[in-house]
Amino acid sequence: DTEVTQTPKHLVMGMTNKKSLKCEQHMGHRAMYWYKQKAKKPPELMFVYSYEKLSINESVPSRFSPECPNSSLLNLHLHALQPEDSALYLCASSPGEARGWFGNTIYFGEGSWLTVV
Amino acid sequence: AQKITQTQPGMFVQEKEAVTLDCTYDTSDPSYGLFWYKQPSSGEMIFLIYQGSYDQQNATEGRYSLNFQKARKSANLVISASQLGDSAMYFCAMREPRSLGGSYIPTFGRGTSLIVHP
Repeated sequence: DTEVTQTPKHLVMGMTNKKSLKCEQHMGHRAMYWYKQKAKKPPELMFVYSYEKLSINESVPSRFSPECPNSSLLNLHLHALQPEDSALYLCASSPGEARGWFGNTIYFGEGSWLTVV
Repeated sequence: AQKITQTQPGMFVQEKEAVTLDCTYDTSDPSYGLFWYKQPSSGEMIFLIYQGSYDQQNATEGRYSLNFQKARKSANLVISASQLGDSAMYFCAMREPRSLGGSYIPTFGRGTSLIVHP
């Protein structure tokens, strides 16, 4: 079983809705990630948090807003999404993302399937 | 330029046979990590095996082994005694610095779809 837990597993939302995806890990990891994955494509990095601070934003539209309330939790707030934002959203964590951590595995959650209607 | 190349979009293998999934990579940093993940249709990315750039031995984890050829910059995944449950997408990933002194974020290949026939 994965030690990265994502909720909800499935989410259907309208273009005017506000919703959130949640991610939790209890492995003591200090780096957490959001990825977006479209069908038959590799995961695309969206955001990286390192020690609860946003360290990488891959030019993601502002309708996606990440939040890291503490070292175990990572949220992705969604507002005014478009149908093309429908995808699998994967949360992941690792011990760190600096040079000394290059060999450490990134562990993924089961993902949240998002459909925007 | 693509950092991770998986040239086989789809592979078929008979149950109980071995299969090799190809992965080549490109980096100029001496410190990097190579990973393989399995993604069934349910969506979860499952970590399979890891090889570090300084590791002398090829990594093995149960039925999975990594054929690491550093000079050729290849890190092929070998699955022995294939099972029906091995049918999934397989992604090769490399963790290297995005910039000098920067974060080690993994870059994923396009993936290989493996189908195991009974």
